[in-house]
Amino acid sequence: GDSVTQMEGPVTLSEEAFLTINCTYTATGYPSLFWYVQYPGEGLQLLLKATKADDKGSNKGFEATYRKETTSFHLEKGSVQVSDSAVYFCALSDDNNNDMRFGAGTRLTVKP
Amino acid sequence: DAMVIQNPRYQVTQFGKPVTLSCSQTLNHNVMYWYQQKSSQAPKLLFHYYDKDFNNEADTPDNFQSRRPNTSFCFLDIRSPGLGDAAMYLCATSRDHPLARDEQFFGPGTRLTVL
Repeated sequence: GDSVTQMEGPVTLSEEAFLTINCTYTATGYPSLFWYVQYPGEGLQLLLKATKADDKGSNKGFEATYRKETTSFHLEKGSVQVSDSAVYFCALSDDNNNDMRFGAGTRLTVKP
Repeated sequence: DAMVIQNPRYQVTQFGKPVTLSCSQTLNHNVMYWYQQKSSQAPKLLFHYYDKDFNNEADTPDNFQSRRPNTSFCFLDIRSPGLGDAAMYLCATSRDHPLARDEQFFGPGTRLTVL
């Protein structure tokens, strides 16, 4: 079945460091891909999305490119801030399942 | 602002005492979902409503029920909460049918504690 595998955390970075969180997926159809962010005690917020191959999603300095050839959707940010500390979930949605399939989540801590 | 609202944010109940969590949305979306999220885990879908059509996931325990009296509101009923039901419960919506690969909009969640 469809699944998402993302880089295990936790990840700890210093402010202004470069961030990469790896995400790969398995899907039989043509999924849409998402990154959600969850701040402590909060629900999930959509960070960015891409709906077809080679699309790049971007928001708040974060970017991810839908790579069909490598079945990947890695999240990147050039310079992280303390306020980026959160749990990041990679997810997919396709026409085979009713639910959003989430990865296990990666906890990011950014230190001043 | 259009949004998904969950009440209460924190709920404490006793073992075996029925509890209801509520969700409302101002997005006028057709689909409403309930997810269970345990600590340090990904959200797990319990069920969803596509308009008035209820869809239960195969592994959702019978202890969990849901009601959607109108487009805006959806309730999660836990008939006899056990200690293992302590979790964050997330409500989400999407405009189109789940198979349309659409994004989902999440509420802030209700954290349930079972004593």
